[in-house]
Amino acid sequence: QAQLQESGPGLVKPSETLSLTCAVPDGSITDYYWSWIRQPPGKGLEWIGYIYYSGNTNYNPSLKSRVTISIDTSKKQISLKLSSVTAADTAIYYCARDHDWGSFDFWGQGTLVTASS
Amino acid sequence: QSALTQPASVSGSPGQSITLSCTGSSNDVGYFDQVSWYQQRPGKAPELMIYRVTNRPSGVSNRFSGSKSGNTASLTISGLQAEDEADYYCSSYTSTNTVVFGGGTKLTVL
Repeated sequence: QAQLQESGPGLVKPSETLSLTCAVPDGSITDYYWSWIRQPPGKGLEWIGYIYYSGNTNYNPSLKSRVTISIDTSKKQISLKLSSVTAADTAIYYCARDHDWGSFDFWGQGTLVTASS
Repeated sequence: QSALTQPASVSGSPGQSITLSCTGSSNDVGYFDQVSWYQQRPGKAPELMIYRVTNRPSGVSNRFSGSKSGNTASLTISGLQAEDEADYYCSSYTSTNTVVFGGGTKLTVL
């Protein structure tokens, strides 16, 4: 089974906006909810938010003011934007398929984003 | 939302059974039966091991089992093997339609 594939800049300057995309390898983009999850180096997992193909979204309250997740079904892509980044946003960012109410059965390999000048 | 509470580390010998705990609140773990467990090896993405408290995805060994009592969920690994050494994370769907993870437990096989 082909993997989800995250892509985007690996380095973002503090106060700027982090932008990532996740390519879904097949037509399942309209069948599931899709989430972004991050993991600071050496630390635990943090859920960022989800989106459905209808545009329905929900975000982690601690990040809600800075996060936007969007979806393009024609391109089979999910996108993440995180504004006003600081060093605390340095992490591996994963996209993942939600197959059952917050249960993630299919993950990308992750992409490391470093917030640094 | 507060992270679920997991012990930082657990260890066991090959062949033993060990249980990892995951404590939340009445707004997440105790709210409904949507607890999941993930295994993460170094440098790899997490892998789903248990969903809906007790269910195993296809391909996951039946040595892994899950349970829940009140606001605490548990993952039991029986017949511990060297390959089980990894970090384990629990997660729960919440009453506000978000997802919260635990801080993770590092399992060492002695």
